[in-house]
Amino acid sequence: GQQLNQSPQSMFIQEGEDVSMNCTSSSIFNTWLWYKQDPGEGPVLLIALYKAGELTSNGRLTAQFGITRKDSFLNISASIPSDVGIYFCAGRDYKLSFGAGTTVTVRA
Amino acid sequence: DTGVSQDPRHKITKRGQNVTFRCDPISEHNRLYWYRQTLGQGPEFLTYFQNEAQLEKSRLLSDRFSAERPKGSFSTLEIQRTEQGDSAMYLCASSLVFGAPGETQYFGPGTRLLVL
Repeated sequence: GQQLNQSPQSMFIQEGEDVSMNCTSSSIFNTWLWYKQDPGEGPVLLIALYKAGELTSNGRLTAQFGITRKDSFLNISASIPSDVGIYFCAGRDYKLSFGAGTTVTVRA
Repeated sequence: DTGVSQDPRHKITKRGQNVTFRCDPISEHNRLYWYRQTLGQGPEFLTYFQNEAQLEKSRLLSDRFSAERPKGSFSTLEIQRTEQGDSAMYLCASSLVFGAPGETQYFGPGTRLLVL
C-alpha cells in the first residue's frame, strides 16, 4: 500500500494563482521526486531532490526536500491552464513509493 | 524519440486468458522497473531488474505474474489466467545505476489492461 500521505487530494485553481501541495512519509527517503500525470499517460518527472533541505526550481515549479527527509512540498507559481493534471510525490530508496496524488482542476 | 516505450498501449482480454506486455527502456539505462496503477492511486512497485537479473519482486506480484529481461534490454511482463482484479495501468520505468547523482526513473506511457 501507499506509504506517503499527499495533500490536498484535489484542488481547483484559477489562472494566475499560486498552488501548493505537500507530501509526508513515515519513512525516511534519500530522494524525493515530483511527477505529473495526464489521463492515459505515464508520469512525467518534474523535479528531483537529492539532499535534505534542498530547494530546487524548474521554471514556475519549486520543490523542497524536508530536513527530516520525511516530507516534501511542491509549489506552482502563476498557474496556467496546462497545469491541470494529477501530481504525484514519490520517495525513493531504490524503488519508488508514491502518494495517492493531488488532482488539479481549473476553476471555471 | 529515445524515451521509454511500451506495447501495447491498451489491452482488453477475457478473464482466464494470458496477456504479455513489452517495455523498451531508454537505451543506456541498466535498471528497469514495473509498476501497477489502479484508478485514483499512485503507481505501486511490482518488480525490478538490473541488467538481466531480477532483483526484487513485490508481494503484489502473485504466481500468475512473471517478468523477464533476457538480454538486459527490453522486458516482458506476462499475466497468466487473468482476473478482473488485474485490470489496471501497467507502467514501466528505467534508470541508470542507483545512487548516481541525477539518476532517476523515467516512465513509459503505460499499458492499460481491462479484464472482462
